[in-house]
Amino acid sequence: DQQVKQNSPSLSVQEGRISILNCDYTNSMFDYFLWYKKYPAEGPTFLISISSIKDKNEDGRFTVFLNKSAKHLSLHIVPSQPGDSAVYFCAAMNYGGATNKLIFGTGTLLAVQP
Amino acid sequence: DTGVSQDPRHKITKRGQNVTFRCDPISEHNRLYWYRQTLGQGPEFLTYFQNEAQLEKSRLLSDRFSAERPKGSFSTLEIQRTEQGDSAMYLCASRSGEHSYGYTFGSGTRLTVV
Repeated sequence: DQQVKQNSPSLSVQEGRISILNCDYTNSMFDYFLWYKKYPAEGPTFLISISSIKDKNEDGRFTVFLNKSAKHLSLHIVPSQPGDSAVYFCAAMNYGGATNKLIFGTGTLLAVQP
Repeated sequence: DTGVSQDPRHKITKRGQNVTFRCDPISEHNRLYWYRQTLGQGPEFLTYFQNEAQLEKSRLLSDRFSAERPKGSFSTLEIQRTEQGDSAMYLCASRSGEHSYGYTFGSGTRLTVV
């Protein structure tokens, strides 16, 4: 049972344009959401997060939006840069749980074309 | 702060052999996680330590897998009688106390079973 879903395996955008990566979840117990970026042969690196009490969080070029009623979140990157090309993982946790383990989606490969 | 270190970076082993991986977390982080990532998938939770106590194990962790964290510092993950299906990237992550959301991942150990 895939509790966190990223339905787009890949996305290609032009440099300078907006990249929008989407993520859906099914477990209502999730109350904290994170985006990670991963380059080949490296571990995931934390990008941005959002608590379920918010609907938006910004950090520079990165903004995450959360729609709790739809169980949907999205990551916006504006403007996109070639160095943003990587695999992006959405992850969710039940912060009130005992372990705070992360449940990851399957990832979206973003390619930013110069 | 040198981040989370994992050793080795790559391991090729013959089916049936035992392998052991090591993870050195960030020194002040008391929480340590092991994840496994296979091709085309996101990282999947394997096990969680708080200090030296192993508090949760995923059903993915068969009886051929064992993890330890003696003295609450570094951790080891051992796979006995490796199978081809064990081929994956094994990721270690650590985080500090209760009010910290972000995980820091290591670069992973790539295991190939031939």
